[in-house]
Amino acid sequence: DIVMTQTPLSLSVTPGQPASISCKSSQSLLHSDGKTYLYWYLQKPGQPPQLLIYEVSNRFSGVPDRFSGSGSGTDFTLKISRVEAEDVGVYYCMQSIQLPHTFGGGTKVEIK
Amino acid sequence: QVQLQESGPGLVKPSQTLSLTCTVSGGSISSGGYYWSWIRQHPGKGLEWIGYIYYSGSTYYNPSLKSRVTISVDTSKNQFSLKLSSVTAADTAVYYCASYEGGAFDIWGQGTMVTVSS
Repeated sequence: DIVMTQTPLSLSVTPGQPASISCKSSQSLLHSDGKTYLYWYLQKPGQPPQLLIYEVSNRFSGVPDRFSGSGSGTDFTLKISRVEAEDVGVYYCMQSIQLPHTFGGGTKVEIK
Repeated sequence: QVQLQESGPGLVKPSQTLSLTCTVSGGSISSGGYYWSWIRQHPGKGLEWIGYIYYSGSTYYNPSLKSRVTISVDTSKNQFSLKLSSVTAADTAVYYCASYEGGAFDIWGQGTMVTVSS
């Protein structure tokens, strides 16, 4: 199985400040079709996960542009340019290049 | 807008079979392009993909659970189901159904908590 490793485990951020989460995969997520199968989800308290970013850097429908994704191969980053109170929750990265789909352990973001 | 809703018993006895159903509304499960999925989350823990099914019946399971999992689809009811046999306390979790398209789990149900206990 592909292991997804996220850092940090938790993050406390002042509103309006940036935040960054790292995700590393144990194998390259670049497929022969040219796509990189790395996704980001946010699980707000008491809710199911919601898709934020697909294929490394594409924002899903309705996701604010303060969220951005970058990276390649095995190293990826999710950035929030200016954290807002509604951004609290646990962020997960996930890979879909190989079954079984696997998720990172999560990064908990809270507001200072 | 497609919506998903899980249903089923919240309490299952050890060694029995956990059975859950996901009802799809706002769209047809037979429309194609989507894999209908089950994902679980142990209390306070991360996410574990269980498996998914295409409307034609093709299934893909997590090898860690494959021997105990069956996912089926009922296109007439616009539902798909999960059966997990020989459950133990380690199967206590929130179970989510979700649609999977093009690499992403894009629509999720609200989740249902299943506790395995005698």
